[in-house]
Amino acid sequence: DQQVKQNSPSLSVQEGRISILNCDYTNSMFDYFLWYKKYPAEGPTFLISISSIKDKNEDGRFTVFLNKSAKHLSLHIVPSQPGDSAVYFCAASDQGAQKLVFGQGTRLTINP
Amino acid sequence: GAVVSQHPSWVICKSGTSVKIECRSLDFQATTMFWYRQFPKQSLMLMATSNEGSKATYEQGVEKDKFLINHASLTLSTLTVTSAHPEDSSFYICSALSFYSGNTIYFGEGSWLTVV
Repeated sequence: DQQVKQNSPSLSVQEGRISILNCDYTNSMFDYFLWYKKYPAEGPTFLISISSIKDKNEDGRFTVFLNKSAKHLSLHIVPSQPGDSAVYFCAASDQGAQKLVFGQGTRLTINP
Repeated sequence: GAVVSQHPSWVICKSGTSVKIECRSLDFQATTMFWYRQFPKQSLMLMATSNEGSKATYEQGVEKDKFLINHASLTLSTLTVTSAHPEDSSFYICSALSFYSGNTIYFGEGSWLTVV
């Protein structure tokens, strides 16, 4: 039972354009959502998060949008840079539990 | 710099032997640590939640007698893979919860285990 789903295993975007990574969840108890970036053979690094009381959170080039009715969130990266090439995981938690449930990841490749 | 450190980064062991992976929070006390496993091209799967001074809580399907977790201090948790087999080869990642940083979760760098 995959509670957090990233249906696109890979995404290729031209440098300077917008990258949009999508994530869907099924558990209505989730109230906190995070995006992580991961390079091969390294641990995930935190990018940005959003609480369920918000529908948008922005940090520099990164913006996360949350649509609670659709149980959908997305990460926008603009402008995309070659260093953004990595695997991106979305994660969700019921803050009371503090455990993170991860999606399968999307490999983002930024082409020069 | 890293605030959660894992050691070793890479380990190769023979089938049937045990291997220990350490997870240290470097500049904060972590009452709760989490252990994840990631198989190639798959998601990070939570194995267990470790609380300092008490027994770990294992996720369904994770053998507690095979994956021994010890959280003896507020800065160290260890995962021991006992009687390792090739199917245990995976990327193991720990994370630590910093209560004093607003319950921020910091991840370690991960440990590659290859069982031959």
